[in-house]
This record gives sequence, C-alpha cells and structure tokens, in this order.
Amino acid sequence: AIQMTQSPSSLSASVGDRVTITCRASQGIRNDLGWYQQKPGKAPKLLIYAASSLQSGVPSRFSGSGSGTDFTLTISSLQPEDFATYYCLQDYNYPHTFGQGTKLEIK
Amino acid sequence: EVQLVESGGGLVQPGRSLRLSCAASGFTFDDYAMHWVRQAPGKGLEWVSGISWNSDTIGYADSVKGRFTISRDNAKNSLYLQMNSLKTEDTALYYCAKASGQWLIVFFPDSWGQGTLVTVSS
Repeated sequence: AIQMTQSPSSLSASVGDRVTITCRASQGIRNDLGWYQQKPGKAPKLLIYAASSLQSGVPSRFSGSGSGTDFTLTISSLQPEDFATYYCLQDYNYPHTFGQGTKLEIK
Repeated sequence: EVQLVESGGGLVQPGRSLRLSCAASGFTFDDYAMHWVRQAPGKGLEWVSGISWNSDTIGYADSVKGRFTISRDNAKNSLYLQMNSLKTEDTALYYCAKASGQWLIVFFPDSWGQGTLVTVSS
C-alpha cells in the first residue's frame, strides 16, 4: 500500500497567518490527491481534489499544489473557522490511503 | 441535497459479525462510486473499502481484506458493509461517502454521512 506522510503533525498559527501543510507519497501518484478538513464531531469536508482543483464552495484562500510524490496545501490567510484537522488522501490505486493528519491550532 | 444516513452500528463481541447500511438520497445513486471510511476514537481517518457505480470494481484496505465485504443495491439506493470476524481494532465510527464520479480512481469522496459507531468488545 502507498504510504502518505503528512507534516507537520500539529501546527500552531494565528489568524491572518499563511500556513502550508505537506504530504509525501511513498511512490508516484500523478496528481491523484485530495485534501480534507475535519472539525471535531463532524464528517470530513473535501477542499481540494486532483492536487490543485478547488472544490465548489470552498474559499479561495485554500490552494493545493504538487504532483508525483510531493504535495502541499496552503491557506493564504487563516480565518478562525480554519482551525481543524487536515488530511490528504491518495486515490491513485487500492487501497486508498490517508495521511495521518495535521492538527491546526490557534496560537 | 445529498443525504447519506448510516445505520447498523452497535456493540458486538470479537469474532462476531455486523452489517452496516447506508441509505442515499438527493442524487442519482447509480451514477456514483461509494466508499466506507472509518475513524477510531481519537485517531485519524482510514479508508476501508470502495465500490464503483456498477459494482465491477471493488477495493479493500489490507486491514479488512477477507473479513469485510462491500456491496450496493442500486434499486434501493443503498450501500452495505458486511463485517465478519470482527476484532477490537475495528472499533470506530464508520462513514459512508459518495464519490464525485463513477469510478474509485480519480473521483474523490465528496459527500459524507454522519457515521455509525461500531464497538467491538467482550
């Protein structure tokens, strides 16, 4: 199975900060990567698909980039509602695999 | 509006079986692949299984292969997960999720239910 390694595992930041989360695949996955946001007690929400495409309804401060093995999620200016846990997911092949998550906390 | 409602969770002893269901509405069910994703208490997300729109393509996580079986009934707009030989490590909230297209590859889960809790304990 393809291993997805996210970093950092946790991150403290302030409202207005620019934040970057990375995800590295153990082998090339083209651009078959998505990013999800999950808030406590809630189901995950798709933010980015195909590495860089913004899901409908998601604010433009979220962006994704990368291809092959290295990917990034960037939040350009953190808002209070962005504090959550973020996961990457590869759907290049089976089994699909998630990263271990990055918890974004308020500094 | 897409609605996914999971059911069938509960407390079960190790080695026993359980069948989860997911009732879908608000979209044309047989146009989309479907997934099961789980989350153990306080832990991250784990993809469990997926099935294409026509059931031709199915995938499983290594941790459940040979024990879990995914299926769908397009006439009933329903997704299922038959879980056999349950282990304590299968304890989790199980989410049903709709993919953004017909196939398991390229099309990401884009709508999720609220989950059903499975607890495996003696």
